[in-house]
Amino acid sequence: AQSVTQLGSHVSVSEGALVLLRCNYSSSVPPYLFWYVQYPNQGLQLLLKYTSAATLVKGINGFEAEFKKSETSFHLTKPSAHMSDAAEYFCVVNAGNMLTFGGGTRLMVKP
Amino acid sequence: GAVVSQHPSRVICKSGTSVKIECRSLDFQATTMFWYRQFPKQSLMLMATSNEGSKATYEQGVEKDKFLINHASLTLSTLTVTSAHPEDSSFYICSASLRGGTYEQYFGPGTRLTVT
Repeated sequence: AQSVTQLGSHVSVSEGALVLLRCNYSSSVPPYLFWYVQYPNQGLQLLLKYTSAATLVKGINGFEAEFKKSETSFHLTKPSAHMSDAAEYFCVVNAGNMLTFGGGTRLMVKP
Repeated sequence: GAVVSQHPSRVICKSGTSVKIECRSLDFQATTMFWYRQFPKQSLMLMATSNEGSKATYEQGVEKDKFLINHASLTLSTLTVTSAHPEDSSFYICSASLRGGTYEQYFGPGTRLTVT
């Protein structure tokens, strides 16, 4: 069994500030971990993925995430928020080819 | 690469009618396709998993007679909502996994279904 918890359903930051979206997971097998972004009325776009190689993963649009096995975490960060980053973000675990989604975090960016 | 399309992007239908949504992998062969439903401001809920040439596996609570899934080829899966009701109105998203890929799923752009 696996589960994903995203702490904070809404996160608000100022433009230029650090973005930190938290994700904790549980899995009975070594997981693959993903972060997806969803803009309104659109599908999901892959930001980055962890597939048991480097623990610090760099993705598109300046995002990165670090896999910490001891903390069962895969938090998403970006040094400087941009207005275009406002969207819904999903942390996803894949263990055994089944995806488990976190509840999502809506990121709001204030000018 | 790894593009998934859905058609239509939006559809409005009357209660009691059926609606078919297509999901295509445009530049790769998808051994498995997934259908999700997303309610407003919520996460995705897996409805069913389909493998090419075999019957779909439905999640608990999803009516297989209402949500018919066909995966006739390695690039096409269809979801038919039969006898649609207003409560079926939702955003439906498909995804596909690459044959031999690292468990990554590629998502379609979604279909907004409104049943009047």
